[in-house]
Amino acid sequence: GAGVSQSPRYKVAKRGQDVALRCDPISGHVSLFWYQQALGQGPEFLTYFQNEAQLDKSGLPSDRFFAERPEGSVSTLKIQRTQQEDSAVYLCASSPARDTEAFFGQGTRLTVV
Amino acid sequence: DQQVKQNSPSLSVQEGRISILNCDYTNSMFDYFLWYKKYPAEGPTFLISISSIKDKNEDGRFTVFLNKSAKHLSLHIVPSQPGDSAVYFCAAMPYNTDKLIFGTGTRLQVFP
Repeated sequence: GAGVSQSPRYKVAKRGQDVALRCDPISGHVSLFWYQQALGQGPEFLTYFQNEAQLDKSGLPSDRFFAERPEGSVSTLKIQRTQQEDSAVYLCASSPARDTEAFFGQGTRLTVV
Repeated sequence: DQQVKQNSPSLSVQEGRISILNCDYTNSMFDYFLWYKKYPAEGPTFLISISSIKDKNEDGRFTVFLNKSAKHLSLHIVPSQPGDSAVYFCAAMPYNTDKLIFGTGTRLQVFP
């Protein structure tokens, strides 16, 4: 497809369950970002990759959150032992270069019950 | 510590008139600014951007103004259309990183 694709669109997890969220960026885009958006808030930065290198993970809220992009293309955000406060929309974005706009996917809405 | 602030959570404007959305920032390291538009159940969509070396950028009905001394930017939409009704996010990028810092958004409603 032409845009950033995220799956699943919706995920309901029981508290304590592990989840994995997938992002397929736009082909050829070097940078990939993960954001978390709580209800009524703006997207909050989690982590970003340049190709396969994770250059900044300062926004990951705890060591239960882990992201990878092993081949510099598809990325997975993993959340272990989910908690209710993890409920949010997780947005992935990619961009071709610095000082250019990032293109966002539709997001994955995670609900932890 | 909110580095990018959108102090108006909502704005209501009549169709055909100008919409002005405001954004303030605190970090002097920001050198690139963007506006995104978001419809429900969709990801943010890029609208317009401006580099810190400029004070204005225009694209059709959309114009972004940057006042570096005041650490303030604004988005003007003229004329406003009902299809512009959405949440608008201001975002800023520090010069030494690619990550975007977002404001909390302003919900714009354009009524006929």
